[in-house]
Amino acid sequence: ETGVTQSPTHLIKTRGQQVTLRCSSQSGHNTVSWYQQALGQGPQFIFQYYREEENGRGNFPPRFSGLQFPNYSSELNVNALELDDSALYLCASSAPADTQYFGPGTRLTVL
Amino acid sequence: AQSVTQLDSQVPVFEEAPVELRCNYSSSVSVYLFWYVQYPNQGLQLLLKYLSGSTLVKGINGFEAEFNKSQTSFHLRKPSVHISDTAEYFCAVDNLSGGNKLVFGAGTILRVKS
Repeated sequence: ETGVTQSPTHLIKTRGQQVTLRCSSQSGHNTVSWYQQALGQGPQFIFQYYREEENGRGNFPPRFSGLQFPNYSSELNVNALELDDSALYLCASSAPADTQYFGPGTRLTVL
Repeated sequence: AQSVTQLDSQVPVFEEAPVELRCNYSSSVSVYLFWYVQYPNQGLQLLLKYLSGSTLVKGINGFEAEFNKSQTSFHLRKPSVHISDTAEYFCAVDNLSGGNKLVFGAGTILRVKS
């Protein structure tokens, strides 16, 4: 186990709704990254937070937003859900310039 | 921008046989390279990484990979696979200033048969 936890494990939403996914980082890690893994594909980088500030973003629209809290836990928020948002969402935490450790993911299904 | 190509979407192999999973990358700058494994319904586990130094990298579970700069490849190998190695394997790159913003390949499913 990596010490990175995510909640919930599974989630079903309908198109147009909003969703919040949560990640608890491994102790001592102040950097968290979020990835989207669509079925049959590799993970794609969404964005990264370092010390509560966004520190890089992939090719995702603004309706994907995030937060990092002082205890370094993190949230991924997605507004106006679309069918293509159905995926496994992975968070990964790391110390600066160190290896990332991934959580087990949250499986989001949009109907 | 970087990209990663995993040349095989599925690799079937018999137990105790050797296996190679192929990965090629494209980048205009020097990169770090990674292999991750994903078991069904789980997150990603780091197998090994190349940062610098020796081009032959040894990882967990008996896996190793060789970095070939001229061929921009980072193939993963294991001399003898087990049923428990059945999983999906992902190659990933990060540029030297990328700070853990990985670019992944599409994955290779390794199916080990008895």
